[in-house]
Amino acid sequence: AQSVAQPEDQVNVAEGNPLTVKCTYSVSGNPYLFWYVQYPNRGLQFLLKYITGDNLVKGSYGFEAEFNKSQTSFHLKKPSALVSDSALYFCAVRDSGYSTLTFGKGTMLLVSP
Amino acid sequence: NAGVTQTPKFQVLKTGQSMTLQCAQDMNHEYMSWYRQDPGMGLRLIHYSVGAGITDQGEVPNGYNVSRSTTEDFPLRLLSAAPSQTSVYFCASSYTNRGHNEKLFFGSGTQLSVL
Repeated sequence: AQSVAQPEDQVNVAEGNPLTVKCTYSVSGNPYLFWYVQYPNRGLQFLLKYITGDNLVKGSYGFEAEFNKSQTSFHLKKPSALVSDSALYFCAVRDSGYSTLTFGKGTMLLVSP
Repeated sequence: NAGVTQTPKFQVLKTGQSMTLQCAQDMNHEYMSWYRQDPGMGLRLIHYSVGAGITDQGEVPNGYNVSRSTTEDFPLRLLSAAPSQTSVYFCASSYTNRGHNEKLFFGSGTQLSVL
């Protein structure tokens, strides 16, 4: 089985401060990990993914994520938050032995001016 | 470049009615899927397809049917609508669901209310 957890329903951060959105996963094989973002009344958009290789993955809009195998985590980070980063963020995982993605419940990021 | 197109954007049904949500993509993607999004539950996979003529069930398939007669189209049919099917439905496609080219493109969603 595969599962993903996003322990925070909401993250609040001031503009210009660093942000972290947490994600932990559970798989039996090798994990393929993804982050997607959803702006209001829109479909999800791909941000970044980890398949193999470097543990630090860089993605769209200045976001990055660090794959930590020992902690089974894939936290999303950005050095300096923007108000326009306010959105719903989803972590997703696929076990290498599976053919479909499992999404987390989502974390609402609110960046205040 | 239209990407993934879903119709309709909004729909209200009465319990017991049937309808089809349309999804089309113009990127020649092999993989297509349907998700429903409910508050506090994230996205749950309903059905998916890895190519024309091939479909399979996801996490929550009951009450829904799909078919994939062409690469471009992947309609979702509600056979007899129930209030529990009130949700936002997303269609998503990807060049593949395996490996380095794996990346889902989502449609803009269909907001469905069943009364």
